[in-house]
Amino acid sequence: DAGVTQSPTHLIKTRGQHVTLRCSPISGHKSVSWYQQVLGQGPQFIFQYYEKEERGRGNFPDRFSARQFPNYSSELNVNALLLGDSALYLCASSLGLAGRTLFFGEGSRLTVL
Amino acid sequence: TQLLEQSPQFLSIQEGENLTVYCNSSSVFSSLQWYRQEPGEGPVLLVTVVTGGEVKKLKRLTFQFGDARKDSSLHITAAQPGDTGLYLCAGGISGGSYIPTFGRGTSLIVHP
Repeated sequence: DAGVTQSPTHLIKTRGQHVTLRCSPISGHKSVSWYQQVLGQGPQFIFQYYEKEERGRGNFPDRFSARQFPNYSSELNVNALLLGDSALYLCASSLGLAGRTLFFGEGSRLTVL
Repeated sequence: TQLLEQSPQFLSIQEGENLTVYCNSSSVFSSLQWYRQEPGEGPVLLVTVVTGGEVKKLKRLTFQFGDARKDSSLHITAAQPGDTGLYLCAGGISGGSYIPTFGRGTSLIVHP
């Protein structure tokens, strides 16, 4: 069975641009969470989606948005990119809202120049 | 805001040595997870501890959850180069959405 897949794996953007990152959860998993991991730090929670609805939001500016589709895949959008947005963006899926085990993808490495 | 402090931040040891990594918080958690992350990959779950005082063993790795469910430790016996990676603890509260808070991680390098 396929694990969590994310695309693209690497991308380079310039300040002010926007980016869309994509995630496909493990088959049967209905909850998707997004995390930002800056070099040298642990993952920081951005969003949790379940059944296409936002169920949790971390302390990130409104430039960050996400959505979940009927097939449970998800997109993370970041507008007006800043240098500080450079990070590894991780997607994690779990069976349900209360699932304690997160299954992570390999991440999308975003570099903002 | 729940904060998890991990120590040490970096650890460089020789193959065969023992080590302990700590994860501390002032908050009580319903459960705590330990993940290992290798370069270029996402974190992979090692263990979940739920009960205060619980000890779990995974081959050469021993995990302990504090009696008050505020802290945890990971002990590795006879470390091997394959143990190299970033060890992350994550704690969460059950009830509704489970959204764990992650520590900064302990970066372990085991030299052959």
